[in-house]
Amino acid sequence: GQQVMQIPQYQHVQEGEDFTTYCNSSTTLSNIQWYKQRPGGHPVFLIQLVKSGEVKKQKRLTFQFGEAKKNSSLHITATQTTDVGTYFCAALEGSNYKLTFGKGTLLTVNP
Amino acid sequence: EAGVAQSPRYKIIEKRQSVAFWCNPISGHATLYWYQQILGQGPKLLIQFQNNGVVDDSQLPKDRFSAERLKGVDSTLKIQPAKLEDSAVYLCASSLFLVGETQYFGPGTRLLVL
Repeated sequence: GQQVMQIPQYQHVQEGEDFTTYCNSSTTLSNIQWYKQRPGGHPVFLIQLVKSGEVKKQKRLTFQFGEAKKNSSLHITATQTTDVGTYFCAALEGSNYKLTFGKGTLLTVNP
Repeated sequence: EAGVAQSPRYKIIEKRQSVAFWCNPISGHATLYWYQQILGQGPKLLIQFQNNGVVDDSQLPKDRFSAERLKGVDSTLKIQPAKLEDSAVYLCASSLFLVGETQYFGPGTRLLVL
C-alpha cells in the first residue's frame, strides 16, 4: 500500500522562528491532506492539495504540493505557542480513497 | 453542528478480556472510519464503512477485531480477546461522502491493556 515518509520526526523552535515539515512518497499521489493534532487531542483537518505544484496559504501556514505529486510541505512562518502539536500528512489512495497517514512531525515552541 | 461522539473515553482492561467502543458520526455523514493510533505514530485505518457496508477492512486483525454499522449510523468496534499490543487510542472519524472528503475525527478512546 501507499507509504508516506515525514521528516523531521521532532522539531523544537523558539517562538517567532519558522518551521517546515516535509512529506515524501515513492509513488505519485492523487492528492494529499494535512492534519494537526494537539497533545492529547484528535487530528483536525487543515487542507487538501490536489493539483501538481499547488500552493495554498492559511494565515501563517503555507502548504505546497510538488510538481511530480510525490512530495508536499507545510511551512509555518513566525511560530506561536498555539502552533504546538503534531502535524500529519495523509495520502489518499485507491478507488476507496483510503487515507494513509505519515508518522507526523511533533512541533514544540519555546515561548 | 455536533461533532463525532465516542465512548468510553478511557478503558483499562487485562489481556484476554474483551472490550467494545462506540461511535456516533456527524449527522448525515455516510462514511465512517475506525483508526488505531499507537503512541508516537500516525493513525492507521482499521475499517471504513460506506453507510452500512464495509468499503475497506484490509488492515483489521479479523481474528480478534470486529466492527459493525448495522443501521448505517452509529458503529461499534470490538476486540476479543485483547492483547498488550492493542494498547492505543481508537479514533472514529466520519465524512459526508467517500470521495476525497474531509474527515472529522472524534475525541478517541484511550485503551490500556495490562
